Amino acid sequence: DGGITQSPKYLFRKEGQNVTLSCEQNLNHDAMYWYRQDPGQGLRLIYYSQIVNDFQKGDIAEGYSVSREKKESFPLTVTSAQKNPTAFYLCASSPGLLEQYFGPGTRLTVT
Amino acid sequence: EDKVVQSPLSLVVHEGDTVTLNCSYEVTNFRSLLWYKQEKKAPTFLFMLTSSGIEKKSGRLSSILDKKELFSILNITATQTGDSAIYLCAAPRGGGADGLTFGKGTHLIIQP
Repeated sequence: DGGITQSPKYLFRKEGQNVTLSCEQNLNHDAMYWYRQDPGQGLRLIYYSQIVNDFQKGDIAEGYSVSREKKESFPLTVTSAQKNPTAFYLCASSPGLLEQYFGPGTRLTVT
Repeated sequence: EDKVVQSPLSLVVHEGDTVTLNCSYEVTNFRSLLWYKQEKKAPTFLFMLTSSGIEKKSGRLSSILDKKELFSILNITATQTGDSAIYLCAAPRGGGADGLTFGKGTHLIIQP
């Protein structure tokens, strides 16, 4: 059953704590992406990776970090430096210059 | 900086109505424009448009691109309550595989 999985679905953290969101895909896609969505906003790109062991900053990378050690996995860490971390986080993958496929998302709440 | 602008931001219509959602864009090295439907969770892919003037259709949904005027429209005919969702328009950043630039979306509500 091919697709993209994200875990957990909901995550609650205290301010000042780092938290890591998981994203796994078994579609054999080279490219993977992380987006953030706030109410009334479209998706904004945080980080992306076109190949294993390489990744690039998107439009709002400050306060976030990523790794791409395996083709299937692209975890996102929300650090304490991120000023407004509460949001809906979406991971996506793509086979190339084509449409992106999205995971179900993780809703992060930081209090 | 790439920009994608959608209008209207929200729309409430009655079941059976026809709706037109708009998307204008300013993108470096434009290659394609994509439409997604989002119902509470993951956006699901609807259409990718690359050629001007060629309509893409899927059931009651259709979309067309105008590369001269830099816009696209998404039409939904005979709307149903299941069409209620946020419709997102996006374009590849810099025309390549560096992620998508999204508009803010149109929140469509279909009333019975």
